[in-house]
Amino acid sequence: GAGVSQSPSNKVTEKGKDVELRCDPISGHTALYWYRQRLGQGLEFLIYFQGNSAPDKSGLPSDRFSAERTGESVSTLTIQRTQQEDSAVYLCASSKGTSGGKTQYFGPGTRLLVL
Amino acid sequence: DQQVKQNSPSLSVQEGRISILNCDYTNSMFDYFLWYKKYPAEGPTFLISISSIKDKNEDGRFTVFLNKSAKHLSLHIVPSQPGDSAVYFCAAVTQGGSEKLVFGKGTKLTVNP
Repeated sequence: GAGVSQSPSNKVTEKGKDVELRCDPISGHTALYWYRQRLGQGLEFLIYFQGNSAPDKSGLPSDRFSAERTGESVSTLTIQRTQQEDSAVYLCASSKGTSGGKTQYFGPGTRLLVL
Repeated sequence: DQQVKQNSPSLSVQEGRISILNCDYTNSMFDYFLWYKKYPAEGPTFLISISSIKDKNEDGRFTVFLNKSAKHLSLHIVPSQPGDSAVYFCAAVTQGGSEKLVFGKGTKLTVNP
């Protein structure tokens, strides 16, 4: 079946602009995660959605970052007033959730460059 | 404070030989470990995982070993192939909670023909 998809694949923006990144998880996966990878670094957890539970936002680096998820489908990650340090690859992953397995499957990522 | 450490940023091996990638962790609450492979400009691809109740899991050419007392795991690739050249990330999941993955910084594996 289809894997995790993300859009756009690349985004170049000017400092101070808002950006919105989209993730379509694997159908039937109840858990959805956002991570980011800055140059030369490992992946950092940002936020986690599981079903109708309150999201775990503990990884969001500042209040400029927010994310939403509609039911168990699409999620959007919004970065307001972008800064140059926000430049990174933003990766979305989904899994079957706590009752179905812990393996997370990743999308191809959105490469964000803030000028 | 890095909870998952991959101390070798790169590794080079000859085709047909064994590749051994290492990973150390500090958090004893981790109960599930995964290895991902990442090619440039692609998302990480799941490779193999192991639960903390096991010490070995094998899938074809890939074997993961877990030493809980040493808080150490390793990925063995035998025999190594040029197509295995990629960055390999070790990741760990804590018991309960959000089940977020905590990643190491990765090891770049180069398999030379």
